[in-house]
Formats: sequence, C-alpha cells, structure tokens
Amino acid sequence: NAGVTQTPKFQVLKTGQSMTLQCAQDMNHEYMSWYRQDPGMGLRLIHYSVGAGITDQGEVPNGYNVSRSTTEDFPLRLLSAAPSQTSVYFCASSYSRGGGNTGELFFGEGSRLTVL
Amino acid sequence: AQSVAQPEDQVNVAEGNPLTVKCTYSVSGNPYLFWYVQYPNRGLQFLLKYITGDNLVKGSYGFEAEFNKSQTSFHLKKPSALVSDSALYFCAVRGATDSWGKLQFGAGTQVVVTP
Repeated sequence: NAGVTQTPKFQVLKTGQSMTLQCAQDMNHEYMSWYRQDPGMGLRLIHYSVGAGITDQGEVPNGYNVSRSTTEDFPLRLLSAAPSQTSVYFCASSYSRGGGNTGELFFGEGSRLTVL
Repeated sequence: AQSVAQPEDQVNVAEGNPLTVKCTYSVSGNPYLFWYVQYPNRGLQFLLKYITGDNLVKGSYGFEAEFNKSQTSFHLKKPSALVSDSALYFCAVRGATDSWGKLQFGAGTQVVVTP
C-alpha cells in the first residue's frame, strides 16, 4: 500500500494564481482532511470530509475549496493564491467513527507551497 | 472548545538520559489523546494514543506516555534518548463526543538529543 500520496511536493505560485493540491489514499479510509503547518502554530485544520460527497470546514478554511467525489481522492484548491497561504500542506486520512476506531491519522509527506 | 498546550518550544537532552515532552489539554468530556513525531521534510508519524484504560500507554520506538486526568496532562517519555529521536513532536486531542474531524494539535516541541 502506498498510504497517503500528495502531489506536488513543491510548488511556487504568483499572487492571484490558482492551483490544486492532490491527495489520494489507498486504505479505504472514509475520513480525509487537509492541514497547514506554519512555524510555531502546529497544524491547523483547513477542510475535512467524512465520506464521499460530504465536506466541512475546519479552523482556517478561507481561500480554500475542497470536494470529495470518490473515497480515494480529496483535492485542495486555492482559487486565488495569496502570500499568507505560503505554508506546508498535509493531507491525512483515517477510519471514521464507529467500529471501535479511534481516529489516529495517517499523513502524507506534505506539499510545500510558496506564494510570491 | 478543545485546546492543546505544549509549553516547551524545544527540549535538549543528552543521549542516554531520560526524555520528557510535556502536553496539557482541555476538552469537553473524555479525551482521545495522541502523540505524533515529524522528522525533517517528512509527514507526521503516529507514535501512541490514549483512549481509555491503563494510564500508562506504550508506543513505537520505546516511547510511552502517561495520562493524568486530574492534571489534564499527557506527557511523552522515553527512558533513554537516542540521537535518532531528534525530531518535532506533536500532541493532539479530540473529545470523545466531538466531531470526528476536530483533532486539535499543539504547536509542537523540537527535541534535540546530543551525543
């Protein structure tokens, strides 16, 4: 199993450009999420999904869109990039609530985004 | 609202000495508590969790953590640190009745183990 796969690993954008960070998992996890990591601030939840067709906002959703058309994929879209979105982005997945699951997350390797 | 505090930005320890990384939390109801480790330019790796039961939880790579309900703490420990334990450590918490998506992370503690 590949686990959680994120692409691209590195990206440089100019202010106002759009792009999509891709995330795919092959563990049949119902729950998927996107976090951003900034120095001294830990990980902050952007958006999450508890299953195909269902998404919800996290702590810092502004400027980002998501969709979940399949169980495997959970892309994160930046519609008009801003320098404040310079960060490292992590996709994570887990089994959903129930069945004794405790929700530990499996993380991708991260995507480092720089917005000039 | 749930929250996590890791009071130390960095912990320095000599190889072979005990290592402790502190974490305190605030949630409504019973907590689900987790520790993750992040090596440079890598994603986060799960170390251990407390859900219920024995207050001392053992995890990967010789790490353990002690849940203290009265002090709302979940400190990570290792009896004898290795240079290879140098990494960034994150504590995370979710309330048992909270939304499954609401896993709250602390700011992280950088561990530096010197030979």
